[in-house]
Amino acid sequence: DIVMTQSPLSLPVTPGEPASISCRSSQSLLHSNGYNYLHWYLQKPGQSPQLLIYLGSNRASGVPDRFSGSGSGTDFTLKISRVEAEDVGIYYCMQTLQTPLIMFGQGTRLENK
Amino acid sequence: QVQLQQSGPGLVKPSQTLSLTCAISGDSVSSNTVAWYWIRQSPSRGLEWLARTYYRSKWYKNYAESVESRVSINPDTSKNQFSLQLNSVTPEDTAVYYCVRFEQTVSTIDSWGQGTLVTVSS
Repeated sequence: DIVMTQSPLSLPVTPGEPASISCRSSQSLLHSNGYNYLHWYLQKPGQSPQLLIYLGSNRASGVPDRFSGSGSGTDFTLKISRVEAEDVGIYYCMQTLQTPLIMFGQGTRLENK
Repeated sequence: QVQLQQSGPGLVKPSQTLSLTCAISGDSVSSNTVAWYWIRQSPSRGLEWLARTYYRSKWYKNYAESVESRVSINPDTSKNQFSLQLNSVTPEDTAVYYCVRFEQTVSTIDSWGQGTLVTVSS
């Protein structure tokens, strides 16, 4: 099974400052079609996860452009250019290269400093 | 806009069966570009997929190894919904259970149900 490892697990951020979360997979997520099967979600307190970024770098509908995803193969990064108060919650990366086996990272808790 | 509405009991006794239903609006359970999953979330196990079903001229079902011997996922085309049954539950099955829509064209989950906290306790 592919293992997903996120860092850091906790990220205190001052609103207005940038933030970056890393996700590493134990195997390459680069499909032969050229897409990386790596996605990012935000779970706000008391809510279900919501899709932020799909296939490595594509923002989902309605997601602000302060969120961006990058990386390829086994190393991926989610960046928030300027954190806003509403961005607090737990961020998860997820791989879907080996469906039905879907694997999530442990989660990174972003909180206001 | 796809919406998934979960229903089912929040408390199940040990050794009994956990049953949850996910009603779909804005899409069809028989759609040939999506799959439907049950996923659960607990502090000890994180987010864990349990079961998948999809229709491609016939119904397909897959189960996670960790629960394969006691889990079942079933689509219901007449009600446009799908369900989860987990038998012989123990306190370790206590978790928030989610039904989700997996869009095949972008290979990702794009819709989640509201979640159901299921507690296994006598």
